[in-house]
Amino acid sequence: AQKITQTQPGMFVQEKEAVTLDCTYDTSDPSYGLFWYKQPSSGEMIFLIYQGSYDQQNATEGRYSLNFQKARKSANLVISASQLGDSAMYFCAMRGARSNDYKLSFGAGTTVTVRA
Amino acid sequence: DAGVTQSPTHLIKTRGQQVTLRCSPKSGHDTVSWYQQALGQGPQFIFQYYEEEERQRGNFPDRFSGHQFPNYSSELNVNALLLGDSALYLCASSFRTGKATQYFGPGTRLLVL
Repeated sequence: AQKITQTQPGMFVQEKEAVTLDCTYDTSDPSYGLFWYKQPSSGEMIFLIYQGSYDQQNATEGRYSLNFQKARKSANLVISASQLGDSAMYFCAMRGARSNDYKLSFGAGTTVTVRA
Repeated sequence: DAGVTQSPTHLIKTRGQQVTLRCSPKSGHDTVSWYQQALGQGPQFIFQYYEEEERQRGNFPDRFSGHQFPNYSSELNVNALLLGDSALYLCASSFRTGKATQYFGPGTRLLVL
């Protein structure tokens, strides 16, 4: 079974500063994928970034980067130069690599509030 | 490039009723997954449809059923609604392999009274 843990229920960050959102996972699969999604108050889940378990480099997408530490089973999201529009709920998710497993397993999420 | 669309946006039902939610996948996508997100929680996987068949199912009772049409759009049906079915229902689409990134729609907020 796959389990995602996000221990920070809420965080405040000053505009233009960086913020790190923690995510740890547990899986017995040798291969897996890790995702981060953003969910504004409107409800839509917006894909941010993906990291494959065998990827040699940490993923980056614009202001988003993923600090992947495989031995520690952590996949923290770093948002640089925070903007007011970054205020939202952020979810870490995992997908296993078994041939018949297509689902995403989500953590409980972290609420980020960016202050002006 | 049209994203994932869902209808309706909001719905109010009473216990025991049945509800149908609809989803159109992102252009070029042929796989649809459904998730239930209770207030304050992460989404929970209901099932995934590919080639008009249910390919994988999560831990949801048979009251939850679905369908995928030849144009890849999908419906989620919930029978005998319970108060606990009140949630945001999210549809996600992806391309064929099922391992591709899933892109979500805006969701349908269902309230069961």
